[in-house]
Amino acid sequence: EVQLVESGGGLVKPGGSLRLSCVGSAFTFTNSWMSWVRQAPGKGLEWVGRIKSRTDGGTTDYTAPVKGRFIMSRDDSKNTLYLQMNGLKTEDTAVYYCTTDSPFDRAFDFWGRGTMVTVSS
Amino acid sequence: IQMTQSPYSLSASVGDRVTITCRASQNINSYLNWYQQKPGKAPKLLIYAASSLQSGVPSRFSGSGSGTDFTLTISSLQPEDFATYYCQQSYIMPRTFGQGTKVEIK
Repeated sequence: EVQLVESGGGLVKPGGSLRLSCVGSAFTFTNSWMSWVRQAPGKGLEWVGRIKSRTDGGTTDYTAPVKGRFIMSRDDSKNTLYLQMNGLKTEDTAVYYCTTDSPFDRAFDFWGRGTMVTVSS
Repeated sequence: IQMTQSPYSLSASVGDRVTITCRASQNINSYLNWYQQKPGKAPKLLIYAASSLQSGVPSRFSGSGSGTDFTLTISSLQPEDFATYYCQQSYIMPRTFGQGTKVEIK
């Protein structure tokens, strides 16, 4: 069974940094494209960013509100996806979900349980 | 691309046929996915490419549409179907979601 387990969330002050991790298992992480999707408390879903597999270039794309502040990376030797979040703002407060991002059906096939990030003074 | 769902919420009974619509602000061909989210849980993929049922999803769920107008139908609502449903376009970056439709018990 595919599993994605996020970690690294917590309380951080505005302007601070945080790094989220997501460990995948039971699928070929190396060949997988991955995305982060977030959900502010009581709100809808917002796509944050995507990283392609290394064989497909390993390139990243981000939503405009986080561009220049958030950086996605991956360590395929550890089946781990990262989200480095810098310059955090109160509006970044959300549950952050790690997802697989299939280039074939172009959908978020599998989701982790999420990790909560709270940005507050 | 802006995605607009309707209704915002609905009340229905077990056994009812339920239809949720999603409209894209421009043509997205068939690059439309549907997700189900229950309170406190991660979303789950139901339908991809507008009408393809994800593995393991009950056949009472179906999707249709292309271009700008799409529909998710639950043919006979079951107790476990009470949840919030989101559409999402994968035609172009950035990926965008609809605002969600909450299906509640009547």
